[in-house]
Amino acid sequence: DQQVKQNSPSLSVQEGRISILNCDYTNSMFDYFLWYKKYPAEGPTFLISISSIKDKNEDGRFTVFLNKSAKHLSLHIVPSQPGDSAVYFCAASETYKYIFGTGTRLKVLA
Amino acid sequence: GAGVSQSPSNKVTEKGKDVELRCDPISGHTALYWYRQSLGQGLEFLIYFQGNSAPDKSGLPSDRFSAERTGGSVSTLTIQRTQQEDSAVYLCASSPAGGQGLSGANVLTFGAGSRLTVL
Repeated sequence: DQQVKQNSPSLSVQEGRISILNCDYTNSMFDYFLWYKKYPAEGPTFLISISSIKDKNEDGRFTVFLNKSAKHLSLHIVPSQPGDSAVYFCAASETYKYIFGTGTRLKVLA
Repeated sequence: GAGVSQSPSNKVTEKGKDVELRCDPISGHTALYWYRQSLGQGLEFLIYFQGNSAPDKSGLPSDRFSAERTGGSVSTLTIQRTQQEDSAVYLCASSPAGGQGLSGANVLTFGAGSRLTVL
């Protein structure tokens, strides 16, 4: 039973445009949601988080939106840059445990 | 150290052999996690440590897998009698505490991983 799903395995976006990565979850008890970025041969690095009591959090070019009624969150990157090309994982936590999605590979075309 | 350190970075072994993977978390981080990422899959939770104890081992795939943590610091993940399906990248992460705090999300810091290939 996959509690966190990223249904798009890959996404290609032109440099300068907006990238939107989506994530769905099933457990309404999740209280924090995080996005991680992963380059090949490196560990995932933290990007941005959002608490379940908020619906939006912004950090520079990165904005995360949370729709609790739909159990859906999305990561917006604008403007997209070639250096953003990586695999993006969403994660949801309930107390100490983090459940990760399967990732979306983003390719930003120059 | 400055980050989470894992060794070896790559390990190739024959089916049936035992392997040990090591994780050095960030100094002072009480929580430590092991995940694995198989080819084309997401990050699969294996085990969680708070200090030296492991209150959640629910993700360990079989009794061939075990882990320990000593001195509230270094952790070792041991896989006995390795099988080909054990081939994956094993990731270790640490965080200052195991639960969410009032200051916000309890962010995990990951190491670069240990890539295990079982022939």
